[in-house]
Amino acid sequence: AQSVTQLGSHVSVSEGALVLLRCNYSSSVPPYLFWYVQYPNQGLQLLLKYTSAATLVKGINGFEAEFKKSETSFHLTKPSAHMSDAAEYFCAVTHGSSNTGKLIFGQGTTLQVKP
Amino acid sequence: GAGVSQTPSNKVTEKGKYVELRCDPISGHTALYWYRQSLGQGPEFLIYFQGTGAADDSGLPNDRFFAVRPEGSVSTLKIQRTERGDSAVYLCASSLLAGGPSNTGELFFGEGSRLTVL
Repeated sequence: AQSVTQLGSHVSVSEGALVLLRCNYSSSVPPYLFWYVQYPNQGLQLLLKYTSAATLVKGINGFEAEFKKSETSFHLTKPSAHMSDAAEYFCAVTHGSSNTGKLIFGQGTTLQVKP
Repeated sequence: GAGVSQTPSNKVTEKGKYVELRCDPISGHTALYWYRQSLGQGPEFLIYFQGTGAADDSGLPNDRFFAVRPEGSVSTLKIQRTERGDSAVYLCASSLLAGGPSNTGELFFGEGSRLTVL
């Protein structure tokens, strides 16, 4: 069965610092992996996705993530944090072998950006 | 509208009452999903529709929960005999289609309906 673990429910960084949000997955089949972001009072929106093409995936707002099969990880990074990046971030994996939109989400990581 | 619309945005009800939550997906999206997000947790899959039919309802927690999409557009999530444990944010999402190589995998989420059962 597929599962997702996000290490750290809260991450705090200074503006301009590196952002690293950790996600490890478990899947019995080659996974599709996603990062979604939820800004305050808004719906979740897709940041980026891995669907078995390039292992380094670039997303919106300067975020990227690298799929590492040997480590079963899909960590999200951004070189320089902006105040506007403060939000909740969710890692998700597809349930099963086809990309039906049935996702298993991690518990989420709240990113705080300090001035 | 341009995005997924959910109503009501907030619903407070008493234990034992019946509740309906409505989702209006993006026009032209054939796949529609319901997720539930409890406090401090990630969204949990409930059900998804491909067109009018429920393609997968394995996430519905019990038979008090039911969802319909009679015309392949708007969907209603129905909860009977509500319990305090049903309190959560109910999220709806839509996508162009579910599955297949041309699926981008992107779900478009609404802002959710926050249900509080007293």
